[in-house]
Amino acid sequence: KNEVEQSPQNLTAQEGEFITINCSYSVGISALHWLQQHPGGGIVSLFMLSSGKKKHGRLIATINIQEKHSSLHITASHPRDSAVYICAVGGVAGGGADGLTFGKGTHLIIQP
Amino acid sequence: KAGVTQTPRYLIKTRGQQVTLSCSPISGHRSVSWYQQTPGQGLQFLFEYFSETQRNKGNFPGRFSGRQFSNSRSEMNVSTLELGDSALYLCASSFLGSVNEQFFGPGTRLTVL
Repeated sequence: KNEVEQSPQNLTAQEGEFITINCSYSVGISALHWLQQHPGGGIVSLFMLSSGKKKHGRLIATINIQEKHSSLHITASHPRDSAVYICAVGGVAGGGADGLTFGKGTHLIIQP
Repeated sequence: KAGVTQTPRYLIKTRGQQVTLSCSPISGHRSVSWYQQTPGQGLQFLFEYFSETQRNKGNFPGRFSGRQFSNSRSEMNVSTLELGDSALYLCASSFLGSVNEQFFGPGTRLTVL
């Protein structure tokens, strides 16, 4: 069973700061997902990674398969980025149809 | 393209009752996964259906069951409800499962009294 650890659990920052959220997992995976959840419950998929780095606007996600570690970065943070960010891993290395295993989430607050 | 829809959005039941939740995936998606979210345990995988077959199941008791229809719509059922079943139940659809991008529905908030 994969164990997914996220840090920090809570993060409060000022508008404009560079934000980093970390995710580590214990067993090889086929894909890692970064999700965003706003108050009220809706979840949006930000990235799905199996290697390397992806960028989407002010968001950047990286993964190091050998170290079993991923980071989510937010540049020029804005109050609308305030949300819970959740890391989730799926599958097993080489394929498989396992369901996602989730981290506990990082509660991010960006103050104006 | 219409997103993932879930019905009902809110539900209040009493202990011992059963409940059925519905999820309509994005058109063309054959995989539907169900998740339970509680403040204590966070998000947990319940099961995944792909082309009407249960492909994988999480660590939940047999009171939790599901099915998928030929149009990919899925239902989950919880029998003999317990207080601890109070949670947000989310479904997500994708082309092939957890190795593809997941598209989440808005969830059904179940309260068991």
